[in-house]
Amino acid sequence: GQSLEQPSEVTAVEGAIVQINCTYQTSGFYGLSWYQQHDGGAPTFLSYNALDGLEETGRFSSFLSRSDSYGYLLLQELQMKDSASYFCAVRTGNTGKLIFGQGTTLQVKP
Amino acid sequence: DGGITQSPKYLFRKEGQNVTLSCEQNLNHDAMYWYRQDPGQGLRLIYYSQIVNDFQKGDIAEGYSVSREKKESFPLTVTSAQKNPTAFYLCASSKGTEGNEQFFGPGTRLTVL
Repeated sequence: GQSLEQPSEVTAVEGAIVQINCTYQTSGFYGLSWYQQHDGGAPTFLSYNALDGLEETGRFSSFLSRSDSYGYLLLQELQMKDSASYFCAVRTGNTGKLIFGQGTTLQVKP
Repeated sequence: DGGITQSPKYLFRKEGQNVTLSCEQNLNHDAMYWYRQDPGQGLRLIYYSQIVNDFQKGDIAEGYSVSREKKESFPLTVTSAQKNPTAFYLCASSKGTEGNEQFFGPGTRLTVL
């Protein structure tokens, strides 16, 4: 089977740093994506990693280790508006077919 | 402004009725996708299309049908054969067929009574 594992909930305080991990077992792997979804809203794209290493985009960074089938999303200088669900997703082939994790609900407290 | 529109935002139907959800994009994107999201769950791919007049089944296509007659439109029909159709349906598109960055519409919340 194909599966992605990520923690169901994470809590952090405003201004802190939080890391959301994602491990995957899939039949194919082309890259790992991260999406943010506020309650009741549409997911929005955050990052895509095809190669090992760290990609930084503003306060958000994403890391991938293909040999470990592992990645993480790092959020720095947390703000209240970062409270949302975060999904990792694996692109399994040369199309846009994605398999999503169950999501991690991040709660940022004052 | 370019984007993806889905209508309606909320939809109620009686059991046994087919219902069609609309998805339109003016981003000139090649590929379009339909996902289903259940409460507290991730997204699951229903169907996707990389080019006009062609589409592929995703992981949970049973009970659904789609068409792609125009580049900008990708409607999804939820048929009476879908055993548990109540869910949040999200349409997405991507510029390239690789789908590395997908743009999502606001979603349609379907409730079957």
